[in-house]
Amino acid sequence: NAGVTQTPKFRVLKTGQSMTLLCAQDMNHEYMYWYRQDPGMGLRLIHYSVGEGTTAKGEVPDGYNVSRLKKQNFLLGLESAAPSQTSVYFCASSQTLFPAGYEQYFGPGTRLTVT
Amino acid sequence: QQQVKQSPQSLIVQKGGISIINCAYENTAFDYFPWYQQFPGKGPALLIAIRPDVSEKKEGRFTISFNKSAKQFSLHIMDSQPGDSATYFCAASALKYGGAQKLVFGQGTRLTINP
Repeated sequence: NAGVTQTPKFRVLKTGQSMTLLCAQDMNHEYMYWYRQDPGMGLRLIHYSVGEGTTAKGEVPDGYNVSRLKKQNFLLGLESAAPSQTSVYFCASSQTLFPAGYEQYFGPGTRLTVT
Repeated sequence: QQQVKQSPQSLIVQKGGISIINCAYENTAFDYFPWYQQFPGKGPALLIAIRPDVSEKKEGRFTISFNKSAKQFSLHIMDSQPGDSATYFCAASALKYGGAQKLVFGQGTRLTINP
């Protein structure tokens, strides 16, 4: 089992460029999440999904879009990157059933720099 | 608005000592309180978690103490080892609002254990 994988590991964008981050999980989890991690801020939830074809906004959704066309994949898009989106992005997944649903499994992260 | 406040930001402990990290929350709807451990370059991983129906949970050298009336919880690491050097995040979520675990994280504590 690879668990949760993220592509790419690093990326540098110029202001206004667009990109898509890919998250894949092989644990057949229903729920998937995108977080951003900034120094002194902890992790903040951007968007999440409760199943294939569904998405919902988290704490800091502005400037991001997501899609969950397949159960195992969760894509995070930046349509017009801004320097404020420089961050480390983490994807996570979890089960639906108690008590297994209480643990989120995180990917290794994508470090994004917007210049 | 930071719903979960974590302190200290950084902590240095001698090998064999006790490491203590504290968190306070505001939302009384929170009913699940996990601690995540993160090593440099890696994603966070669940360390230990507690529900509000108990005041303490212990797993090996790691203990969570929970004070519902004060809306505070803390992580204690006994016999701290150099391998415990990492960043620790407390978090909280309100599971009764549905299966999606919308975690709210604290700001993180960088723990260094000196040999």
